[in-house]
Amino acid sequence: AQKITQTQPGMFVQEKEAVTLDCTYDTSDQSYGLFWYKQPSSGEMIFLIYQGSYDEQNATEGRYSLNFQKARKSANLVISASQLGDSAMYFCAMREGLYNNNDMRFGAGTRLTVKP
Amino acid sequence: KAGVTQTPRYLIKTRGQQVTLSCSPISGHRSVSWYQQTPGQGLQFLFEYFSETQRNKGNFPGRFSGRQFSNSRSEMNVSTLELGDSALYLCASSFGLFTGELFFGEGSRLTVL
Repeated sequence: AQKITQTQPGMFVQEKEAVTLDCTYDTSDQSYGLFWYKQPSSGEMIFLIYQGSYDEQNATEGRYSLNFQKARKSANLVISASQLGDSAMYFCAMREGLYNNNDMRFGAGTRLTVKP
Repeated sequence: KAGVTQTPRYLIKTRGQQVTLSCSPISGHRSVSWYQQTPGQGLQFLFEYFSETQRNKGNFPGRFSGRQFSNSRSEMNVSTLELGDSALYLCASSFGLFTGELFFGEGSRLTVL
């Protein structure tokens, strides 16, 4: 069963505007972690932001914030003030049962293109 | 500090050959995971090692194997290569086994002809 769903294969945003990348997940665990990674054309996966299932506040890291809606099982990434360097693939990921041997599962990704 | 280092970055092999990929984790990190990334299947988990022991394994055939050394460096091996093994192989490290955040290398891009 698909654990992580990213429904937007590609997104375009104008430079300096905000953009939301969607992510929904499926789990029956109470304890899990949600992650967003950025993958530029070089191939390296760059960690952006983390949200724990018990965290009551939405995570923020600079221009990145995670809109966590637990009841809806969604963990959307919001990038504010987009920059040309934000053009990349973005992956949502989940690790269930953080205290168990569960591997990190990734969504199919969203390709973000920032227009000048 | 230095990030995760993977070698080689690019390689070309022919069907039936075998390949070994290497990964040096961030200093102090003891957990190493391997992922295969293809356009069709996306990112798929291969295996995870901690303290030289395989702790978790994905749904891949036995041709895919790995190991971890006492210095936490890891290698993965693919034997009897098939065309479908062409992919970007990503290695990731983390401090502990139960630490969620993974730090990735730039990957080894394997092409099988």
